[in-house]
Amino acid sequence: NAGVTQTPKFRILKIGQSMTLQCTQDMNHNYMYWYRQDPGMGLKLIYYSVGAGITDKGEVPNGYNVSRSTTEDFPLRLELAAPSQTSVYFCASKSANEQFFGPGTRLTVL
Amino acid sequence: AQSVTQLGSHVSVSEGALVLLRCNYSSSVPPYLFWYVQYPNQGLQLLLKYTTGATLVKGINGFEAEFKKSETSFHLTKPSAHMSDAAEYFCAVRPPGGSYIPTFGRGTSLIVHP
Repeated sequence: NAGVTQTPKFRILKIGQSMTLQCTQDMNHNYMYWYRQDPGMGLKLIYYSVGAGITDKGEVPNGYNVSRSTTEDFPLRLELAAPSQTSVYFCASKSANEQFFGPGTRLTVL
Repeated sequence: AQSVTQLGSHVSVSEGALVLLRCNYSSSVPPYLFWYVQYPNQGLQLLLKYTTGATLVKGINGFEAEFKKSETSFHLTKPSAHMSDAAEYFCAVRPPGGSYIPTFGRGTSLIVHP
């Protein structure tokens, strides 16, 4: 099993550009999550999904969109990138009482 | 509502010394509690968890934590630090049942000196 995979690992965007962060899991988990991690701030939940076709907002959803058309994939979309979205983004899935995290995408918006 | 407070954004110990990372929580119901570790440039991985039963839980790499309801604490300990323990540690809490949405603390960076 590859677990949770994320692409790309790094990306630099210009203000106003858009991009999609990809996340795939091969563990057949229903729950999936997107977090952002900023220094000294822990993890903030952006969006989550409890299954294909079902998504819901987390603590910091503004500026982001998600979709969940399959159990495996949970892409995160940034439509108009802003410097405040410079962060490390983690995707995760859940089995019973444990979350499994991807390696992260480091995004810089200039 | 639930919240997590990790005391100390950085903890520094010598190799071989006791590791103690503090976590206090606030929850309206007895929570489930977790410690995750994040090594540099990696995602988080579960160290240990408390759901029900024995309040002293053992995890990977020699870490353990004790759930103390009266103190609303779930401190992480390891008797003897190793250089490889240097990482960021996150405490997390969630109520049992309902949607699985844990709340994470801000993290504690463990520095291990030779």
